[in-house]
Amino acid sequence: NTKITQSPRYLILGRANKSLECEQHLGHNAMYWYKQSAEKPPELMFLYNLKQLIRNETVPSRFIPECPDSSKLLLHISAVDPEDSAVYFCASSPRTGGAFTGQLYFGEGSKLTVL
Amino acid sequence: GQQVQQSPASLVLQEGENAELQCNFSTSLNSMQWFYQRPGGSLVSLFYNPSGTKHSGRLTSTTVIKERRSSLHISSSQTTDSGTYLCALDRGSALGRLHFGAGTQLIVIP
Repeated sequence: NTKITQSPRYLILGRANKSLECEQHLGHNAMYWYKQSAEKPPELMFLYNLKQLIRNETVPSRFIPECPDSSKLLLHISAVDPEDSAVYFCASSPRTGGAFTGQLYFGEGSKLTVL
Repeated sequence: GQQVQQSPASLVLQEGENAELQCNFSTSLNSMQWFYQRPGGSLVSLFYNPSGTKHSGRLTSTTVIKERRSSLHISSSQTTDSGTYLCALDRGSALGRLHFGAGTQLIVIP
């Protein structure tokens, strides 16, 4: 799927700060960050719908999302913890109105390994 | 409790056999989406199915709302079908959260 691109694809960190980037070329209104730990389904972290943030309150405050425009999404991570080791997927969907999500499309993922 | 129950948890097939994967849900449904994920790979959307039956090549998805179930049928399985299949329930939540099943790990042997 080259219509949602993520970077970097792999990163290995100590207790450092890092940002993940995502760009979608599908013209979708909603963009998401999901976290997938080993052998588990993805878990929703954040949703931007028409640039409005909807946050999953269980996500630690060291994760800060940013949506500079409707096609781009960033995830800033500060002082990573070993439990943050996972694959972080960006996704997007039409979400044309109300609470109707629409078909979800995922990017290739960014695999974070915390030492 | 778990809103989406996916079964079986794992399945081993001989190449050429058919497979039926199930998701049962306990809440209201806007749509059920089926994904395929290869180990270390991304999630590829197979079907977005609010109700009825949809076909794509050797794959068929059927969602029956009144029976609170959705199924994915794979016919004439191939070794390249191996991977994890996930269903995800869209309840139309304002939070935009999809409720994922635990997944079915499929292995197709030659």
